[in-house]
Amino acid sequence: DQQVKQNSPSLSVQEGRISILNCDYTNSMFDYFLWYKKYPAEGPTFLISISSIKDKNEDGRFTVFLNKSAKHLSLHIVPSQPGDSAVYFCAASANTGNQFYFGTGTSLTVIP
Amino acid sequence: KAGVTQTPRYLIKTRGQQVTLSCSPISGHRSVSWYQQTPGQGLQFLFEYFSETQRNKGNFPGRFSGRQFSNSRSEMNVSTLELGDSALYLCASSLDALGTEAFFGQGTRLTVV
Repeated sequence: DQQVKQNSPSLSVQEGRISILNCDYTNSMFDYFLWYKKYPAEGPTFLISISSIKDKNEDGRFTVFLNKSAKHLSLHIVPSQPGDSAVYFCAASANTGNQFYFGTGTSLTVIP
Repeated sequence: KAGVTQTPRYLIKTRGQQVTLSCSPISGHRSVSWYQQTPGQGLQFLFEYFSETQRNKGNFPGRFSGRQFSNSRSEMNVSTLELGDSALYLCASSLDALGTEAFFGQGTRLTVV
């Protein structure tokens, strides 16, 4: 049973515009959420995280929003750059150690 | 400082064989987790070791096992390989056991023929 879902397998955005990647979860025990970026044949690279006590966290061009009542989080990338083209995974943990539940990923293409 | 190191990067095995993958975490990190990534699937959690003890285990058959050594290095073993075990196996390193961050290695690409 997929507890973390990314319903959009792919997304294309023009360079300079905003990219919005979405993620939904079902387990109300999740209290920490992370976004990772992955290039082919490489391991995921940590981007940004958010605790369930917050609803927003910003790091440069990346902002993560958390809506606990809707069990939904999103990653905003502004402005989008061609180098942002990669697969993005969201992940969640339930304070039971380092067991992270991952979504299936969204492939972002930023068009120059 | 050095990142997470996984060896080997690529591996080809035949059905029925067994395989051992290795992971060296970031220096000072005490937790190592293993994940399997297959096409169309996200990363599926295999197990986590913290201070040489398995803390969590995912929903995988007993053919998948692991261990962690006193220097935090970890190995993962898969016995009686099946074609469906072909995947990218990723190791993640965490400083503590709080579930707030994990840093991944480049993975080992296992192909079972």
